[in-house]
Amino acid sequence: AQSVAQPEDQVNVAEGNPLTVKCTYSVSGNPYLFWYVQYPNRGLQFLLKYITGDNLVKGSYGFEAEFNKSQTSFHLKKPSALVSDSALYFCAVRGETTDSWGKLQFGAGTQVVVTP
Amino acid sequence: GAVVSQHPSRVICKSGTSVKIECRSLDFQATTMFWYRQFPKQSLMLMATSNEGSKATYEQGVEKDKFLINHASLTLSTLTVTSAHPEDSSFYICSAGTRSYNEQFFGPGTRLTVL
Repeated sequence: AQSVAQPEDQVNVAEGNPLTVKCTYSVSGNPYLFWYVQYPNRGLQFLLKYITGDNLVKGSYGFEAEFNKSQTSFHLKKPSALVSDSALYFCAVRGETTDSWGKLQFGAGTQVVVTP
Repeated sequence: GAVVSQHPSRVICKSGTSVKIECRSLDFQATTMFWYRQFPKQSLMLMATSNEGSKATYEQGVEKDKFLINHASLTLSTLTVTSAHPEDSSFYICSAGTRSYNEQFFGPGTRLTVL
């Protein structure tokens, strides 16, 4: 079974400050990890993914995430937050087995609020 | 990335009617499409996995006779909510993918309101 935990319901940060959104996971085998962002009444927008390779993954809109196998974490980071980054962020994981291909397990989501 | 569309974006219907939602992959052929349901300020819940040309696989607790899924081609899947009731009101999101892409591409979602 696979699972994802996003321990914070909401993260508040001032514009220009660093932003971190936490994610830990549990999966059999090697994980495939994803971050998505959702604006109100919209679908999910892909930010970045980790499949294999470099533990530091760079994605869209200045976001990056670091895969930490020993801590089973995949925290999302942005060095300098913008007000327009205010949105709902989802971490997702899936295993590498054939029969679970594509079946993503989503975290509960973290609401990011960036204040001017 | 690849583009997935959904139609309609918003629908309001009376209780007891059926509603069909379309999900299309516009610039690639999707071997698999997924249907999710999302309640306000909550996470996405996978309802079913749909492979082209075969029956959909429903997640535990999802009524297959209530939520009919058809995946007739590599670019189109439909979700029909039959005899809709107010508790079916939700945000429905589809996604499409292929093994070669190794990821899913999400549609913009459909807001269903059942009166």
